[in-house]
Amino acid sequence: GDQVEQSPSALSLHEGTGSALRCNFTTTMRAVQWFRKNSRGSLINLFYLASGTKENGRLKSAFDSKERYSTLHIRDAQLEDSGTYFCAADTNAYKVIFGKGTHLHVLP
Amino acid sequence: ETAVFQTPNYHVTQVGNEVSFNCKQTLGHDTMYWYKQDSKKLLKIMFSYNNKQLIVNETVPRRFSPQSSDKAHLNLRIKSVEPEDSAVYLCASSPNWGGNTGQLYFGEGSKLTVL
Repeated sequence: GDQVEQSPSALSLHEGTGSALRCNFTTTMRAVQWFRKNSRGSLINLFYLASGTKENGRLKSAFDSKERYSTLHIRDAQLEDSGTYFCAADTNAYKVIFGKGTHLHVLP
Repeated sequence: ETAVFQTPNYHVTQVGNEVSFNCKQTLGHDTMYWYKQDSKKLLKIMFSYNNKQLIVNETVPRRFSPQSSDKAHLNLRIKSVEPEDSAVYLCASSPNWGGNTGQLYFGEGSKLTVL
């Protein structure tokens, strides 16, 4: 089965509101990364965490390896935040596996 | 700013032909990867290399062969393409440290269409 279960698969938010994306892992992962696909289709790294939390502007991510999950919180959503977000986890030092992605649509 | 360069970005070919994708990273990373993104946008790891050595091979068909001349380059050759090989192939690199991969940096992708 899938080792990285990402939810929700799709999410609609009104501008100015917030929500959280989540990834659950079926096994202990060493680290997690979150990506956003930009307008050119390139994957842009938002966060890399081996533990704890990180914050960057309106985005905040947390990773709990023991409880096997990671979250990406978006606050005060803006129209330009729309896109596809992926989480990915290190199963070992040379293998990173991806979730299926969350399609975020920010509404005016 | 792009630091992982893939060529070509698009390629259309017929079943049975050979295709090669090239990837170069200028980040000084030790590890490079090839991922396949299918029509459902799922990203699946194919190979990872560390300092020119193959580390991960995810049961990819034998017609796929990665080639690494040095740690900054990782190419992908498909010997005889099949229709199911149509996808976007993404190259990435990472620094690897302390038993973790480190942050992945991706190229813009190479879209393959097999007619």
